[in-house]
Amino acid sequence: NAGVTQTPKFQVLKTGQSMTLQCAQDMNHEYMSWYRQDPGMGLRLIHYSVGAGITDQGEVPNGYNVSRSTTEDFPLRLLSAAPSQTSVYFCASSGRRNTGAFFGQGTRLTVV
Amino acid sequence: AQSVTQLDSQVPVFEEAPVELRCNYSSSVSVYLFWYVQYPNQGLQLLLKYLSGSTLVESINGFEAEFNKSQTSFHLRKPSVHISDTAEYFCAVSDEAGGTSYGKLTFGQGTILTVHP
Repeated sequence: NAGVTQTPKFQVLKTGQSMTLQCAQDMNHEYMSWYRQDPGMGLRLIHYSVGAGITDQGEVPNGYNVSRSTTEDFPLRLLSAAPSQTSVYFCASSGRRNTGAFFGQGTRLTVV
Repeated sequence: AQSVTQLDSQVPVFEEAPVELRCNYSSSVSVYLFWYVQYPNQGLQLLLKYLSGSTLVESINGFEAEFNKSQTSFHLRKPSVHISDTAEYFCAVSDEAGGTSYGKLTFGQGTILTVHP
């Protein structure tokens, strides 16, 4: 019963590098989201998806891309990493009845 | 657009004392309300939620929150805290209308609750 699984847990990137943060859920949830957590700012929505093939931007989408080819997976791509993207990233999923989101354990990303 | 304000960034209390973590929200539409808890180096866990019905909701570990529509508040309370309650707590809202709003949460800034022995 894994829930929401994120990989990797930690990552250090150099400015300008690209990478993909992986997120998978095994609850057959339609809705998946990516948030970033910064001190004193709570969590802010980056991108979200309401089903396979459907994505939309959240509050802070610049510098990030997403796609959703399956119900289970929702990867987040950093195209050209910048120090401002140093943060903790959380993936979440929720079902149709919006009874609350389930979160992964997070990916701590440092861009140097 | 929605916004959430958690009025205290840090709340220190002694063990067995009562605690209240305050949350106010602003929205032009009806909302669902949530409290999440984050223990150090972990993800967020749902603590309790208000969707409809009774305005007082409770969690399994003794927390409760009351939805006050006129004051647009959803304060979290516990009558007697334990050391193990030390964590960061987040208030969040989502649009009640559903549809594409499902899965879109707006969070407050978080309140760090520290319980001292």
